[in-house]
Amino acid sequence: AQSVTQLGSHVSVSEGALVLLRCNYSSSVPPYLFWYVQYPNQGLQLLLKYTSAATLVKGINGFEAEFKKSETSFHLTKPSAHMSDAAEYFCAVTFEAGTALIFGKGTTLSVSS
Amino acid sequence: ETGVTQTPRHLVMGMTNKKSLKCEQHLGHNAMYWYKQSAKKPLELMFVYSLEERVENNSVPSRFSPECPNSSHLFLHLHTLQPEDSALYLCASSQFDSVSGANVLTFGAGSRLTVL
Repeated sequence: AQSVTQLGSHVSVSEGALVLLRCNYSSSVPPYLFWYVQYPNQGLQLLLKYTSAATLVKGINGFEAEFKKSETSFHLTKPSAHMSDAAEYFCAVTFEAGTALIFGKGTTLSVSS
Repeated sequence: ETGVTQTPRHLVMGMTNKKSLKCEQHLGHNAMYWYKQSAKKPLELMFVYSLEERVENNSVPSRFSPECPNSSHLFLHLHTLQPEDSALYLCASSQFDSVSGANVLTFGAGSRLTVL
């Protein structure tokens, strides 16, 4: 079955530290992959998307993600965390053009000073 | 007004009430969605409308009834809900990008529903 898994429901980092949020997918066909962020009391906002144009994708707020087919992964990174990055992050995938997204369970990122 | 707007933002209702959630998009998108977000669970896709026609219904109980009168508006009618239906209901819209093949969703802020 096609699915997406986010490893770690909660990640804590210090301000200025590297952020790494993990996402793996299971599929027999090339996926379309997305990262969304949700701040408290808000809806989901698109951070970045992979659609086969380039394996390293840059998004908003300094985030980027790399598609690694051999590892079936699409991990989200940011070199230096900021307090404002504290939020919930969702990896999402669709395996067929134009179809609805399948979301992971989400990872809550906490940033301490 | 731009983006996806959901009203009300908060709703408390009894199990015998009838209420509706409203979603409006100002992006010119041709597809709209209802998702349910419960604590500790992945987002659950409930309904998808494409060009005002329902194209997906993920085994949602009949006490949830969607309506899409036009491409800009989407409703979720609620009737005799259960306490376990308490959740954040998110509306989203999208436009299919034929170049990338991707459906990029834009979400509203959600309607927080509490069923007593």
